[in-house]
Amino acid sequence: DGGITQSPKYLFRKEGQNVTLSCEQNLNHDAMYWYRQDPGQGLRLIYYSQIVNDFQKGDIAEGYSVSREKKESFPLTVTSAQKNPTAFYLCASSLPAAREDYNEQFFGPGTRLTVL
Amino acid sequence: DQQVKQNSPSLSVQEGRISILNCDYTNSMFDYFLWYKKYPAEGPTFLISISSIKDKNEDGRFTVFLNKSAKHLSLHIVPSQPGDSAVYFCAPSMYSGGGADGLTFGKGTHLIIQP
Repeated sequence: DGGITQSPKYLFRKEGQNVTLSCEQNLNHDAMYWYRQDPGQGLRLIYYSQIVNDFQKGDIAEGYSVSREKKESFPLTVTSAQKNPTAFYLCASSLPAAREDYNEQFFGPGTRLTVL
Repeated sequence: DQQVKQNSPSLSVQEGRISILNCDYTNSMFDYFLWYKKYPAEGPTFLISISSIKDKNEDGRFTVFLNKSAKHLSLHIVPSQPGDSAVYFCAPSMYSGGGADGLTFGKGTHLIIQP
C-alpha cells in the first residue's frame, strides 16, 4: 500500500543531543514537508522540499535541519540549538505543485519527541 | 499574527444534528482552502477542499462554504455521527507553487458528537 511512514512513533532524547526523525513515502510525490504540533496549537511548517536536492525554510526552521537526497526520503534533524524540541512532528507529501487541484497533502502518523 | 483563526476551540453537537465549524483568514492571497480531520496521536487526514473560484463544495455529509469578501469559510457536517468526533483544522494555501509551499493551519476545533 502507498503511504507515508515515520519512525519511530515515540522518541526520547537527552537535552543537548541531536536527533534525526525519519520520513519515507512511496506515493511518488515530489514535494515533502515537516510540521510541528504543540498542545492546543495548529501545525506549523518547519521545512519543505519541492524537489530532490532542494529545500526551503518554513515558519519555524531555527534549530532544525533537513536533507533531500532521494525523492522518497526527507529526514529531519532536531539539533541542540532548538530551544523547545519536545513536540509532535508530522511529515507530509504532495503531488507536483503545477497541478493546482492537488494541493492536498498526505500526512504520516507522526513522531512524538520528548527531550528529557 | 495569526493568518488563520478558528475561534471555537471546541464544539459539542448531538448525534444526528448539524455541526458547523468556522474559519476566518486574513491573507487575501489564499486561494485554496482545505479541511483536515485529526485524531489524537495520528496524522491529519484530508477531508474536503474548496477553490477560491467557488463558494460551495459538497462531498457526502460534508459541505464547505466560502465567503471571500468576508474571508470566512465554514464546514458543515450533516448528519453528525460519533465517528466525526475529532479535531478539525482549516488549512488555506496560496497557489504559486500551491501545495508545495506548505499549508497554514488554524489551531483547530475539537468537535465532540454526543449520543
